[in-house]
Amino acid sequence: NAGVTQTPKFQVLKTGQSMTLQCAQDMNHEYMSWYRQDPGMGLRLIHYSVGAGITDQGEVPNGYNVSRSTTEDFPLRLLSAAPSQTSVYFCASSRQGLSNQPQHFGDGTRLSIL
Amino acid sequence: EDQVTQSPEALRLQEGESSSLNCSYTVSGLRGLFWYRQDPGKGPEFLFTLYSAGEEKEKERLKATLTKKESFLHITAPKPEDSATYLCAGTHTSGSRLTFGEGTQLTVNP
Repeated sequence: NAGVTQTPKFQVLKTGQSMTLQCAQDMNHEYMSWYRQDPGMGLRLIHYSVGAGITDQGEVPNGYNVSRSTTEDFPLRLLSAAPSQTSVYFCASSRQGLSNQPQHFGDGTRLSIL
Repeated sequence: EDQVTQSPEALRLQEGESSSLNCSYTVSGLRGLFWYRQDPGKGPEFLFTLYSAGEEKEKERLKATLTKKESFLHITAPKPEDSATYLCAGTHTSGSRLTFGEGTQLTVNP
């Protein structure tokens, strides 16, 4: 069982470039989310989705777009990369909402913006 | 504003030396308090969920407890393989968002 798969694992971009971080899960989970993890700041929620066709903003959504056309996939798009977006990005999924369901995390995408 | 604070930031123990990690939270209408373990270069791995004050859960050398304002992760007779960063997180009434603390980096020396 693959769980949550994130690609790529590492990426270096130049300021102003755009890219898409991929996230796929094979557990038929309704809820998916994106976090960024920075030293001294913990995991911060960027965007989340409670089901196909439904997305909402988290704590730090600026500079990022998401869409959820299928249950399995939840890509994160950086529109115009900035050095402040250098971080480790984690995708997570859970069966339903978070009130009683633990999230399953991917192993992250390490992104550097030069 | 929902807030989760963990202490200490880092903890070094000798193998077999028991201790506790603290997680204080101010999450309005807390629905669940989660503990995760994160190894270097990996995503967080789920350990426990606690729902109400007084609740306790155990797994091997770990025991998580919850009061009205904080949660503790007790580590009994730790081993080097328990070395990791332990994350605490809370979700509020809507169940749609998870607020994480900054984590406690635990090192257990043999």
